[in-house]
Amino acid sequence: QKEVEQDPGPLSVPEGAIVSLNCTYSNSAFQYFMWYRQYSRKGPELLMYTYSSGNKEDGRFTAQVDKSSKYISLFIRDSQPSDSATYLCAPAPSTGNQFYFGTGTSLTVIP
Amino acid sequence: ETGVTQTPRHLVMGMTNKKSLKCEQHLGHNAMYWYKQSAKKPLELMFVYNFKEQTENNSVPSRFSPECPNSSHLFLHLHTLQPEDSALYLCASSQGTGVNSPLHFGNGTRLTVT
Repeated sequence: QKEVEQDPGPLSVPEGAIVSLNCTYSNSAFQYFMWYRQYSRKGPELLMYTYSSGNKEDGRFTAQVDKSSKYISLFIRDSQPSDSATYLCAPAPSTGNQFYFGTGTSLTVIP
Repeated sequence: ETGVTQTPRHLVMGMTNKKSLKCEQHLGHNAMYWYKQSAKKPLELMFVYNFKEQTENNSVPSRFSPECPNSSHLFLHLHTLQPEDSALYLCASSQGTGVNSPLHFGNGTRLTVT
């Protein structure tokens, strides 16, 4: 079983839509949860960073963690064409130094 | 310059060549990393350096040889590579090596082995 499962998509939505991106994981020791955004021909950039369960909001982005079901979500409200990118989830345990990246979900927001 | 800079952006090399990838970070971080990104696969951690000392080698073949002369510079020396080594090689840095120190990535070197 993979440490992190992420639907690769591609996901295509109209501008203004609410987007839901999801990951599941198997390791109950994961305590830190990150989302990275990667534009074409660029490196990943940190988008959201949360610790343990709950929600965290930053502008149009909301990260949600449900540790009981080992489910991570990233919601994008009022999606824009500039949100078109690949989104990578990356949970990690509280000890050690390794992040466990998902394969990424490719998102296209159509104007 | 700011952030993490990688050169070259693209590299094509034959299986008998020797080449090097370069990474420089301007963030004042203490830890640097090499990751491999292949299509439809998760990022693979290759090497970790903390205060220029290697702290992790993730069972990487010896045809990949890292070098970290100081906390700001990281190299990946390549020799006798295989076609399956073609991928995007990403350098990253972080303040520390714990998972509470998020990674900051460069834009990568796209490597093609012919």
